[in-house]
Amino acid sequence: IAGITQAPTSQILAAGRRMTLRCTQDMRHNAMYWYRQDLGLGLRLIHYSNTAGTTGKGEVPDGYSVSRANTDDFPLTLASAVPSQTSVYFCASSDTLAGDYNEQFFGPGTRLTVL
Amino acid sequence: GQNIDQPTEMTATEGAIVQINCTYQTSGFNGLFWYQQHAGEAPTFLSYNVLDGLEEKGRFSSFLSRSKGYSYLLLKELQMKDSASYLCAVRDGDYQLIWGAGTKLIIKP
Repeated sequence: IAGITQAPTSQILAAGRRMTLRCTQDMRHNAMYWYRQDLGLGLRLIHYSNTAGTTGKGEVPDGYSVSRANTDDFPLTLASAVPSQTSVYFCASSDTLAGDYNEQFFGPGTRLTVL
Repeated sequence: GQNIDQPTEMTATEGAIVQINCTYQTSGFNGLFWYQQHAGEAPTFLSYNVLDGLEEKGRFSSFLSRSKGYSYLLLKELQMKDSASYLCAVRDGDYQLIWGAGTKLIIKP
């Protein structure tokens, strides 16, 4: 693995179904993030984790949950999908070094359609 | 509230120079980022400014004025491959970013 991987690449899901989007990074970054990107709205933060074992809510957390059991993995779960959750989902990670850019690195994205 | 504004779309000619502006109003400021995103791909990091002034990196430069809540990304010697969306983002706290909606740049031959 090099960088951040996401799975699946794309998915069509029936409304009401449960779905977990997977994200794994091999850069040993402390912080990880989940975004959704919708046309005209830019990237919106769903949930984040500043370090393994901790998570926080972003701008649009409703209907989503996350866990951070270890440094590498940060799955995003939709408990009961609704059509408004149709979007492209990006996972990202960053380091947390004092004085550093700590820029975010992005996975390739998951295109999710909820019907 | 938190707000980042960028033009929705710009058009420029191959070989020319283009400036993409970004204005922001955030509760805090801990750096401003520019990212490039080609259609159907993930955003990739271009530049970072935390102090006022110009940061140059090859054909790309980024400028910041904290007192004016303003930044721009300058692209020189435009190439067709520069056709992409350019995203402005502000870090207002520790690590999370607030993102603008992005500027779609169309390069014409």
